[in-house]
Amino acid sequence: GAVVSQHPSRVICKSGTSVKIECRSLDFQATTMFWYRQFPKQSLMLMATSNEGSKATYEQGVEKDKFLINHASLTLSTLTVTSAHPEDSSFYICSARARDRGRLEQYFGPGTRLTVT
Amino acid sequence: ELKVEQNPLFLSMQEGKNYTIYCNYSTTSDRLYWYRQDPGKSLESLFVLLSNGAVKQEGRLMASLDTKARLSTLHITAAVHDLSATYFCAVEAYSGAGSYQLTFGKGTKLSVIP
Repeated sequence: GAVVSQHPSRVICKSGTSVKIECRSLDFQATTMFWYRQFPKQSLMLMATSNEGSKATYEQGVEKDKFLINHASLTLSTLTVTSAHPEDSSFYICSARARDRGRLEQYFGPGTRLTVT
Repeated sequence: ELKVEQNPLFLSMQEGKNYTIYCNYSTTSDRLYWYRQDPGKSLESLFVLLSNGAVKQEGRLMASLDTKARLSTLHITAAVHDLSATYFCAVEAYSGAGSYQLTFGKGTKLSVIP
């Protein structure tokens, strides 16, 4: 089946620094990638949708200058949290969409736990 | 704006018992997903329901979809401890510019007690 990887799986950084999270589709090309954020004991909230080679579409309330998304190829999207603060500590999950047996399917990565101290 | 409501949000049940989790959504959609999430982990896909009346079963879990009522159910039969997890339903809807998005319910935290 389709596999999506994320790197790193865990990261701890100091307040004010930037962190980059990578999301890769390992055995398929993803037409669209999504970034979600999940705070403890809450649901997943969509942050942004990105298509290869074009600018990401951010959901209302998500600061695009703070959460930089680059979707440089059909297998790689990156999320950079700039000038991170403790309130950015969260579980970030990417997902990638591809056509599987004629249907568009969405596959989730394993997530990245970000802790900002 | 699509709203997805799950209930209950917390469910504590004894092993061997049956129970149902409900997922209501507010606008037309013909595609609904159920996911399982274990603590500290990402989502595991359980079911995708594509049409009205769809029913899928895997082990002790059975999911159904009624698109007219905008309701999906996840039924647990003879619960075992290994089913303890958080279960999310997610509804797919068109978001414009040829794109579809998933909107998640708040999740149901299931604890199965021996």
